Amino acid sequence: KAGVTQTPRYLIKTRGQQVTLSCSPISGHRSVSWYQQTPGQGLQFLFEYFSETQRNKGNFPGRFSGRQFSNSRSEMNVSTLELGDSALYLCASSTGTSGRTDTQYFGPGTRLTVL
Amino acid sequence: KQEVTQIPAALSVPEGENLVLNCSFTDSAIYNLQWFRQDPGKGLTSLLLIQSSQREQTSGRLNASLDKSSGRSTLYIAASQPGDSATYLCAACEINQGGKLIFGQGTELSVKP
Repeated sequence: KAGVTQTPRYLIKTRGQQVTLSCSPISGHRSVSWYQQTPGQGLQFLFEYFSETQRNKGNFPGRFSGRQFSNSRSEMNVSTLELGDSALYLCASSTGTSGRTDTQYFGPGTRLTVL
Repeated sequence: KQEVTQIPAALSVPEGENLVLNCSFTDSAIYNLQWFRQDPGKGLTSLLLIQSSQREQTSGRLNASLDKSSGRSTLYIAASQPGDSATYLCAACEINQGGKLIFGQGTELSVKP
């Protein structure tokens, strides 16, 4: 079974631009979560989508948004990029249907650098 | 608000040693506690998931325990190998928060040949 894939793997943008990252979950998984990882803050939850609906949201500004399509693929968008948005963005997929046993499987991440 | 803490931040051991990594959490209302491994610049690899009703889980040389009453989990690695060198992260999945995980800052493990 193919794992979680993320595209692109690397991105370089300048301040003020916007960016879209993509995540394809494991086949059959309906939940996709997004995390931001930085050396200072560690891994922080951005949002989770389940069956095309946002189920939970972290404490990030409205510049960070996401969506999920009917095939469970998800995209996240960051508008008006700031230097502090430079990070590794990870997505995770799971079945989303059984909290106690629902293992999260992570993709390789997208490394975003904002200049 | 759930907070997850991992101590120590870094650990260096000689090959073959048994070791324990610690994770503590402040709110016991969790579905499960998950342990992950992260190699430099890479994504996370799931190691073990312990349900809130379980006390421990084992996979090969890895054993994870959970004590909800004290808010603690440990990851035991037996007979460590240089290939075990990585950052180990624990994460709590809270009740009624969907799949949201709260992560600790990780323990960076180095196993010397």
